[in-house]
Amino acid sequence: GDSVTQMEGPVTLSEEAFLTINCTYTATGYPSLFWYVQYPGEGLQLLLKATKADDKGSNKGFEATYRKETTSFHLEKGSVQVSDSAVYFCALKKAGRRALTFGSGTRLQVQP
Amino acid sequence: DADVTQTPRNRITKTGKRIMLECSQTKGHDRMYWYRQDPGLGLRLIYYSFDVKDINKGEISDGYSVSRQAQAKFSLSLESAIPNQTALYFCATSDGGDFHSGNTIYFGEGSWLTVV
Repeated sequence: GDSVTQMEGPVTLSEEAFLTINCTYTATGYPSLFWYVQYPGEGLQLLLKATKADDKGSNKGFEATYRKETTSFHLEKGSVQVSDSAVYFCALKKAGRRALTFGSGTRLQVQP
Repeated sequence: DADVTQTPRNRITKTGKRIMLECSQTKGHDRMYWYRQDPGLGLRLIYYSFDVKDINKGEISDGYSVSRQAQAKFSLSLESAIPNQTALYFCATSDGGDFHSGNTIYFGEGSWLTVV
């Protein structure tokens, strides 16, 4: 079945450091890929998405590129801030499947 | 006001009790979902509904039931709660949209349920 694998956290960085959170997926066909962010005490919010191979999703300084050849959708940010501290979820959605499949989430802690 | 509202936000209940979690949305979406979040397991789909007359089981529906009272309301019930149902529960909504555009899902803030 479909699955999403994320790097385990927590990831602890200093402010202004470069961020990469790895995400790989297993699915047949061509799923859409998503990154969601969950800030403390809040629900999940869509951060960015990509719907086909080689698409790059971007938002709030975060980027992720849909790599079909490596089945990956790694999240990157050039300079993290304390306010980026949250849990980040990678997810996929396939045509014909009516809901998202989520990874286990990666907690990011940014220290001043 | 939040687009997706869940009540209660926190609840402690005893084993064997019936508990209902309610969800309402102001997005005007037809599609609503209930997910469960457990540490290290991400979110898993319990039930989903594509309109008032459409209810479908997700990957972990055993021990749960749902009711779609109206387009805007989708409730989740635990008929006889057990401790391993202790988790954070999320309601979500989405519009139909075109698949290739990757329709967006909107989440509520979550309901913490503890079964003792």
